[in-house]
Amino acid sequence: DVKVTQSSRYLVKRTGEKVFLECVQDMDHENMFWYRQDPGLGLRLIYFSYDVKMKEKGDIPEGYSVSREKKERFSLILESASTNQTSMYLCASSFPGAGVFGQPQHFGDGTRLSIL
Amino acid sequence: DQQVKQNSPSLSVQEGRISILNCDYTNSMFDYFLWYKKYPAEGPTFLISISSIKDKNEDGRFTVFLNKSAKHLSLHIVPSQPGDSAVYFCAAILNTGNQFYFGTGTSLTVIP
Repeated sequence: DVKVTQSSRYLVKRTGEKVFLECVQDMDHENMFWYRQDPGLGLRLIYFSYDVKMKEKGDIPEGYSVSREKKERFSLILESASTNQTSMYLCASSFPGAGVFGQPQHFGDGTRLSIL
Repeated sequence: DQQVKQNSPSLSVQEGRISILNCDYTNSMFDYFLWYKKYPAEGPTFLISISSIKDKNEDGRFTVFLNKSAKHLSLHIVPSQPGDSAVYFCAAILNTGNQFYFGTGTSLTVIP
């Protein structure tokens, strides 16, 4: 069974801090994704990666960066955290299909991040 | 601009009856649709999908219907069980495979 593990379930940080959210998958998936989930807005894609060291911006990349140094690990970085980045963050992974999103994604359980 | 819409934020159904969750989309270039189910404190899990070349896909108690002319898809759960209580998200993929949109979710409560 696919396992996508996010390092923290809950995280509280202060405005201006640099924040790292880590995600590891154990199914040798090429694709990895970071989303944020906000009430009334559904899931919005921040960044995705289709290979080691490759990254692409999603719909809302501003204020975020990512790192993929190893195939199994995809990190989301909040360069200087702000209160509007308080959210639920979800990591996902998948095999490639017809395009980056051609296969169903497997999600982690999320990190609830609060920026004070 | 929400390209995938779930206009009902919540739905309550009696155990044993049919649950129908609806999803509308605006872009005719979507050609693959998925439903995900999400329990509290867990990530979404893939439930069922349908390609635009089909109008129906069935998996056990779950059936997804696609009406391309109306740009509408629905998820039917028959019979509904209390364990089906969760938030259901529909999602759509552009025919290039490189754009992916989630709906805002419908919270289903199945009453025993």
